[in-house]
Amino acid sequence: DAGVTQSPTHLIKTRGQQVTLRCSPISGHKSVSWYQQVLGQGPQFIFQYYEKEERGRGNFPDRFSARQFPNYSSELNVNALLLGDSALYLCASSFITKGETQYFGPGTRLLVL
Amino acid sequence: RKEVEQDPGPFNVPEGATVAFNCTYSNSASQSFFWYRQDCRKEPKLLMSVYSSGNEDGRFTAQLNRASQYISLLIRDSKLSDSATYLCVVNQAAGNKLTFGGGTRVLVKP
Repeated sequence: DAGVTQSPTHLIKTRGQQVTLRCSPISGHKSVSWYQQVLGQGPQFIFQYYEKEERGRGNFPDRFSARQFPNYSSELNVNALLLGDSALYLCASSFITKGETQYFGPGTRLLVL
Repeated sequence: RKEVEQDPGPFNVPEGATVAFNCTYSNSASQSFFWYRQDCRKEPKLLMSVYSSGNEDGRFTAQLNRASQYISLLIRDSKLSDSATYLCVVNQAAGNKLTFGGGTRVLVKP
């Protein structure tokens, strides 16, 4: 079975622009979470979605938003990009929401110039 | 204080040696604990879950000490391929939010 997939793999944007990142979970998984990993640090939780509803939000500004579609895929949107948004954005999927192992996709590497 | 803290290392380990390192967490209500491995510029991959009774997977042994709020990972007979960053991960009681430590870098050398 295919693992978690993410697109694009790399992206270069300039300050002030908007970006949309995409994630497809493992088949059968209904929960998708998004994480931001800045170089040299561990991933930081941004959002969790389950059955198309937001189930958790990390300490990120309102410029960050996400949604989940009926097929359980998800998009992460970031508006008004700042240099500090440069990071690896990771998507993780799990079957349910609580206490279960999450499996990560390869990530989207975003560079903001 | 960070929610999950790790010694960033690097731990320089001779091939074949044993290395162990800990991670501390601040939320006593944390429910699930994991070790993930992350290679350079790759995504984190689950190494093992950590159970209260401790668990072993081949050369890897994980321990959980709830009283002192730390988990540990021990790697025996280190291989060159064990070189990676090891991320301590805690699942908070509410929802499925994973909280990561900053990672411990391990370098296994011939």
